[in-house]
Amino acid sequence: DQQVKQNSPSLSVQEGRISILNCDYTNSMFDYFLWYKKYPAEGPTFLISISSIKDKNEDGRFTVFLNKSAKHLSLHIVPSQPGDSAVYFCAASGRDDKIIFGKGTRLHILP
Amino acid sequence: SAVISQKPSRDICQRGTSLTIQCQVDSQVTMMFWYRQQPGQSLTLIATANQGSEATYESGFVIDKFPISRPNLTFSTLTVSNMSPEDSSIYLCSVGSGVANEQFFGPGTRLTVL
Repeated sequence: DQQVKQNSPSLSVQEGRISILNCDYTNSMFDYFLWYKKYPAEGPTFLISISSIKDKNEDGRFTVFLNKSAKHLSLHIVPSQPGDSAVYFCAASGRDDKIIFGKGTRLHILP
Repeated sequence: SAVISQKPSRDICQRGTSLTIQCQVDSQVTMMFWYRQQPGQSLTLIATANQGSEATYESGFVIDKFPISRPNLTFSTLTVSNMSPEDSSIYLCSVGSGVANEQFFGPGTRLTVL
């Protein structure tokens, strides 16, 4: 059973608009939630994270929101830029430092 | 951040053979992780490689199929043994940053088994 779910395989957004990527999880014991970005032929690169005790973390154009009661988090990118086109992985980790990944959402930024 | 390299970057192998993937980090790290990403799937942790001790394997992965070496604090290898087409995947190594469970990943090794 998947503990981290990204239900949208792909998303297309106009350049300059807001991109919202969603993620659901099932394990309430996760300590951290992370977002990774992956370009083709490269490994995932860390983007932003949020502790389970917070509900929002912001870093430049990227903001992650955590709703613990709904076991849901989202990544907002605003404004979206062409270089944001990539696969985004939602991930979660607990006290054992292991990271569990979702299947990813492919984001296309349209000109 | 850590700089991680992997060799080979890609390979095409015949069924029944084995391939050893190397992972080199530019700094000393305690734990290294090996992941697999099958087509259309998420990254799945295979095992955690600790220097000086046996690797710890996740459920569904066994040492006979994926032997791991960790001879020092900057290097590790993963061998995919007796390969079948189902082993066709991207294999990635990663290291922890020590901050918020963040990990740094290598570029991956794309393996195709015919």
